[in-house]
Amino acid sequence: DAGVTQSPTHLIKTRGQHVTLRCSPISGHKSVSWYQQVLGQGPQFIFQYYEKEERGRGNFPDRFSARQFPNYSSELNVNALLLGDSALYLCASSLGEYTQYFGPGTRLTVL
Amino acid sequence: TQLLEQSPQFLSIQEGENLTVYCNSSSVFSSLQWYRQEPGEGPVLLVTVVTGGEVKKLKRLTFQFGDARKDSSLHITAAQPGDTGLYLCAGAPGTASKLTFGTGTRLQVTL
Repeated sequence: DAGVTQSPTHLIKTRGQHVTLRCSPISGHKSVSWYQQVLGQGPQFIFQYYEKEERGRGNFPDRFSARQFPNYSSELNVNALLLGDSALYLCASSLGEYTQYFGPGTRLTVL
Repeated sequence: TQLLEQSPQFLSIQEGENLTVYCNSSSVFSSLQWYRQEPGEGPVLLVTVVTGGEVKKLKRLTFQFGDARKDSSLHITAAQPGDTGLYLCAGAPGTASKLTFGTGTRLQVTL
């Protein structure tokens, strides 16, 4: 069975640009969460969606937005990119209980 | 705000040695998960513990959830070079909820 998939794997953008990251959950999983991991730190929660509705939002500015589609895949959008947005962006899916399974991540570099 | 502190932050040991990593919080968690992460990749789930006092074994790895569900430990017996990586604990306040990650423990096992 396929695990959580994310695209693209790597991305280079310049300050002020916009970026869209994509995630496909494990088949049957209805919950998707997004995390940001800056180098040397643990992942920080950004958003959680369950059955296409936002269930939680972390302490991130309004430049960050997300949505979940009817097939439970998800997009994370970041506007007006800043240098500090450079990070590994992780998507995790869950059946809705405790355990979350992570994808390989998208490495975003903002120049 | 729920915080998880891990200790030690860094650990460099030789093959065959034993080690313990600690994950502590002042908050109660409904569940706690341990992950291992390689550079540039997503965290890989090792175990989920749910019941206070629970002990789970995964080959040479032993995980324990504190009685009060505020802390956890990971013990590795006879460490091998393949155990090298970043170990992360993550707590959830409830089901289908966001994960709060610990600060991480970077383990290096040398021959």
